Amino acid sequence: DAGVIQSPRHEVTEMGQEVTLRCKPISGHNSLFWYRQTMMRGLELLIYFNNNVPIDDSGMPEDRFSAKMPNASFSTLKIQPSEPRDSAVYFCASSFLRTGTPSSYNSPLHFGNGTRLTVT
Amino acid sequence: KNQVEQSPQSLIILEGKNCTLQCNYTVSPFSNLRWYKQDTGRGPVSLTIMTFSENTKSNGRYTATLDADTKQSSLHITASQLSDSASYICVVRKAAGNKLTFGGGTRVLVKP
Repeated sequence: DAGVIQSPRHEVTEMGQEVTLRCKPISGHNSLFWYRQTMMRGLELLIYFNNNVPIDDSGMPEDRFSAKMPNASFSTLKIQPSEPRDSAVYFCASSFLRTGTPSSYNSPLHFGNGTRLTVT
Repeated sequence: KNQVEQSPQSLIILEGKNCTLQCNYTVSPFSNLRWYKQDTGRGPVSLTIMTFSENTKSNGRYTATLDADTKQSSLHITASQLSDSASYICVVRKAAGNKLTFGGGTRVLVKP
């Protein structure tokens, strides 16, 4: 099992440019999460999908951020236009959630190694 | 407000020594609490999970405790090794729903 795969590992871009981050979840997992991590705010949930459907996008900062999951094995997080305050490490995580049982929520999140985004 | 507070923010220990990290939470209703280890430049990795009925659980040299009455958890590292240098994050899941609340983490540095 290769784990959650994110690309690129590092991205440096200029303010105003479009940035696309990519994620391949673990095969068989039905939930996918995008997180942002900064020193000041720690890990923050941006959005999560269940069975490819966005369930909670309340953490998406503003309309400049968008996420898609066209199929079970691929997701993107896009920032357009990017701003310096978007600089952070963006993590993708996946999990298998079996809803409707008390143990539904005991599955751990499996994180990728993140994309470090720097917007200048 | 659902919060998770960790202490200390950082600590330095000598190789071979023990240390204990603390996590206090106000998340309610409670489902479970998980400790993650995050190495520099990597994503967090789950160490252990504590559910309401569990008081203590071990994973190698890591031992987690949970007091659901006082809403406190601890992570004890025994005989620390250089590879234990990392950030340790406490994450509490709220019951009924998929809401996770993350602590700010404790950064541990093990020195030879």
